[in-house]
Amino acid sequence: DGGITQSPKYLFRKEGQNVTLSCEQNLNHDAMYWYRQDPGQGLRLIYYSQIVNDFQKGDIAEGYSVSREKKESFPLTVTSAQKNPTAFYLCASSIGGRASREQYFGPGTRLTVT
Amino acid sequence: DAKTTQPPSMDCAEGRAANLPCNHSTISGNEYVYWYRQIHSQGPQYIIHGLKNNETNEMASLIITEDRKSSTLILPHATLRDTAVYYCIVRVGYSTLTFGKGTMLLVSP
Repeated sequence: DGGITQSPKYLFRKEGQNVTLSCEQNLNHDAMYWYRQDPGQGLRLIYYSQIVNDFQKGDIAEGYSVSREKKESFPLTVTSAQKNPTAFYLCASSIGGRASREQYFGPGTRLTVT
Repeated sequence: DAKTTQPPSMDCAEGRAANLPCNHSTISGNEYVYWYRQIHSQGPQYIIHGLKNNETNEMASLIITEDRKSSTLILPHATLRDTAVYYCIVRVGYSTLTFGKGTMLLVSP
């Protein structure tokens, strides 16, 4: 089945540790995105990538880093510089470019930092 | 991208039509109206989008007013599984999505 996978579903870390969230897609989509969602809020864009080896900051990129070495993969690292890392993280992909229409979302990773 | 305004919550009886409104009075001519929904603790799901004309697919219908300043998402026969937060988003075709708080639709038996 085609789709987007995120792992793990739940992740627990101690404060001060970097953590990397996985996102893989087999939809052959060019564009990939990372969003953050806090309780009762909408989604906020962290980073996005339109093509391999290229990515842009979203609205709340501080304290996060990404890489896009393969078309299928777009991992997100939550660094110790992120002040409030506990949140629900969602990865998405789309065809990309001017043809971009709908985004397909993964199931999300719920990160808790204590 | 234009800003949207949605009611924070709505109720609907199972089997009835759910009509979710969205105001986007500052929409520009090249901006599309998109609808997504998010069931609790899951990733958002694309529902439908449109530019000027009304649109229908297997999930819903989208009615856009002639002046394009507002739209309505219609779920013709709501089921309990349609309980979710519904997001109305306007965007230029190739730009990123901006999600607000959406409308929490509660479908009751």
